[in-house]
Amino acid sequence: DAKTTQPNSMESNEEEPVHLPCNHSTISGTDYIHWYRQLPSQGPEYVIHGLTSNVNNRMASLAIAEDRKSSTLILHRATLRDAAVYYCILRDGFGNEKLTFGTGTRLTIIP
Amino acid sequence: NAGVTQTPKFRVLKTGQSMTLLCAQDMNHEYMYWYRQDPGMGLRLIHYSVGEGTTAKGEVPDGYNVSRLKKQNFLLGLESAAPSQTSVYFCASSRDRGFLDYGYTFGSGTRLTVV
Repeated sequence: DAKTTQPNSMESNEEEPVHLPCNHSTISGTDYIHWYRQLPSQGPEYVIHGLTSNVNNRMASLAIAEDRKSSTLILHRATLRDAAVYYCILRDGFGNEKLTFGTGTRLTIIP
Repeated sequence: NAGVTQTPKFRVLKTGQSMTLLCAQDMNHEYMYWYRQDPGMGLRLIHYSVGEGTTAKGEVPDGYNVSRLKKQNFLLGLESAAPSQTSVYFCASSRDRGFLDYGYTFGSGTRLTVV
C-alpha cells in the first residue's frame, strides 16, 4: 500500500479554518484518498474521500493537488468538537478492500 | 439508529480464558472488518470479510478467529487470551466497493483487558 505522511499534531483557533495536510508521493492512479477522524474514546468516523477532483460535503472539503501527490482536508470553521486525530489513508480502487491506518494528526482546537 | 453495534463494551479476562466479541450492522453492508488499537497507535486490521461465509486475514491475525455466518454479524473470537491482546477493538462495515468507493462505518469499540 502506498504510504501517507501527516504532521503529528496541529493547533487551530476556534471558529477559524483549519487546513490539514497529507503527502502521498507514491500514490497510484487507482488510489482513493480517504480521511477519517477519531474523537476521544470513540471509533473512527468517516469524513470525506476523493480520487482526482476536489470534494465537498457537510463536514469538510478535500483539496487534491493536480499531481495527486498531496491533499488537504479543510475544516471551514473549527469548533471544539473538531478536536480529534485525523487520518489520511490511501485505498486502492481495485482489489484491495482494507483501509490501513497510520498515526494521524492530532488536532487541538484553542477556545 | 442505523449503524454498527459492538458487544460487550468492556470486558476483563484472565489469561487463558476465551471470549467472543460480537459486531452487528443493520445497513446491509457486504464488507466487515475487525481492528485493534493500542495506546498511541493507529488501528491495525485483524481479520475482514467481503461477504457472508467469507473471511480473510489482516495485518495481525494471530491469536484470533472470526466467523461471518450471517451477513449482518461478524464475530471475533479469542480462544486463549493473552495480556498482549489487551486493546480496544473496533468493528467496521462498508458497502460493496464499486467504482465510486465508499467509507467505513465504525462501531464504538470494545475495551478488553487481559490480566
